[in-house]
Amino acid sequence: QKEVEQNSGPLSVPEGAIASLNCTYSDRGSQSFFWYRQYSGKSPELIMFIYSNGDKEDGRFTAQLNKASQYVSLLIRDSQPSDSATYLCAVITAGGTSYGKLTFGQGTILTVHP
Amino acid sequence: ETGVTQTPRHLVMGMTNKKSLKCEQHLGHNAMYWYKQSAKKPLELMFVYNFKEQTENNSVPSRFSPECPNSSHLFLHLHTLQPEDSALYLCASSGQGAPRDTQYFGPGTRLTVL
Repeated sequence: QKEVEQNSGPLSVPEGAIASLNCTYSDRGSQSFFWYRQYSGKSPELIMFIYSNGDKEDGRFTAQLNKASQYVSLLIRDSQPSDSATYLCAVITAGGTSYGKLTFGQGTILTVHP
Repeated sequence: ETGVTQTPRHLVMGMTNKKSLKCEQHLGHNAMYWYKQSAKKPLELMFVYNFKEQTENNSVPSRFSPECPNSSHLFLHLHTLQPEDSALYLCASSGQGAPRDTQYFGPGTRLTVL
């Protein structure tokens, strides 16, 4: 079983719609959860981080965490063509230290069409 | 310079060459990382340095040799590489404080081994 699993997609949504990206993880000790966006040929760029169960909103982005179900998701409201990218879910288990081992999913390719 | 910088951005080398990748972080972080990103595969953690000490070597072949002279600089020395080592090599850094354990990536070095 992969440690962090994402549907590779591609996920295609029309402009203005809500894009829903999902991620599951296997380690119950996981403490910190991140969503990165990666444009083709570029490096990953942090979008959101979440530590506690529930929702966290930042502009058009909402991260949702359910530790009991070992599930984290990212919602993108009012999707724009510029949101077209690969979205990486990353999970870290080393809580309480100044660094941690990030484990990445394989990423979900999102395409927003006009 | 701000954030995390990497040089060179592109590198083509033969299997008998020796080259080095350089990473520098301007964020005051204490942990630095090397990742490998190959096509169709998740980001793979290679090495972790915390306060200049190597704390993780993720079963990386000895033809990759990291060096961390201080908390701001990280090198990856390459020798007798194989064509399958062609990939995007990403450097990242993280530090204490909020957001905890968040890693910030450099732009990457696109390596091609002939």
